[in-house]
Amino acid sequence: AQSVTQPDIHITVSEGASLELRCNYSYGATPYLFWYVQSPGQGLQLLLKYFSGDTLVQGIKGFEAEFKRSQSSFNLRKPSVHWSDAAEYFCAGSGGANNLFFGTGTRLTVIP
Amino acid sequence: DVKVTQSSRYLVKRTGEKVFLECVQDMDHENMFWYRQDPGLGLRLIYFSYDVKMKEKGDIPEGYSVSREKKERFSLILESASTNQTSMYLCASSFRTDGYTFGSGTRLTVV
Repeated sequence: AQSVTQPDIHITVSEGASLELRCNYSYGATPYLFWYVQSPGQGLQLLLKYFSGDTLVQGIKGFEAEFKRSQSSFNLRKPSVHWSDAAEYFCAGSGGANNLFFGTGTRLTVIP
Repeated sequence: DVKVTQSSRYLVKRTGEKVFLECVQDMDHENMFWYRQDPGLGLRLIYFSYDVKMKEKGDIPEGYSVSREKKERFSLILESASTNQTSMYLCASSFRTDGYTFGSGTRLTVV
């Protein structure tokens, strides 16, 4: 079955430290993959997406993600976290159909 | 920018009431979706639509129905609200597989 897994429920990092949020997918073929961010009480905002081509994808707010087929992963990274990055992050995937499958989310806490 | 507008940010309804959640998008997107979001459960798909007057059940359609009479509007209906439908409801739209654009959400409390 098509699915996306985010193994970390909650991550805490210090401001200025680097960040990596994990996402694993299970699809028969190369999926379309997305990362979204949700601030408290808000809807989800698209950070970046991967369809094909270059496996390192740049997004908004200084985020990037790398697609690794051998590891079935699409991890989100940021070199230096800001306090405003505290939010919940969702990985999502699609097998080519119009529906997205969402992971259960990773909550990011940033400490001063 | 595409905008997806949900008519209410907060809503309080009584058990047994019929509840309408409205969603409007302004970019002529074919696809529209309704999700509910609960702590620890992530986003769960209730219903979706790929075209006017078309609807498909998602993962948790029980207790809900939808209406799409116009391309830009997708309504979620709780036929008889119950306390276990207290949740955050998120509407989204998309063009093909481009990824979703979400509304700001409606936090519904059923008392």
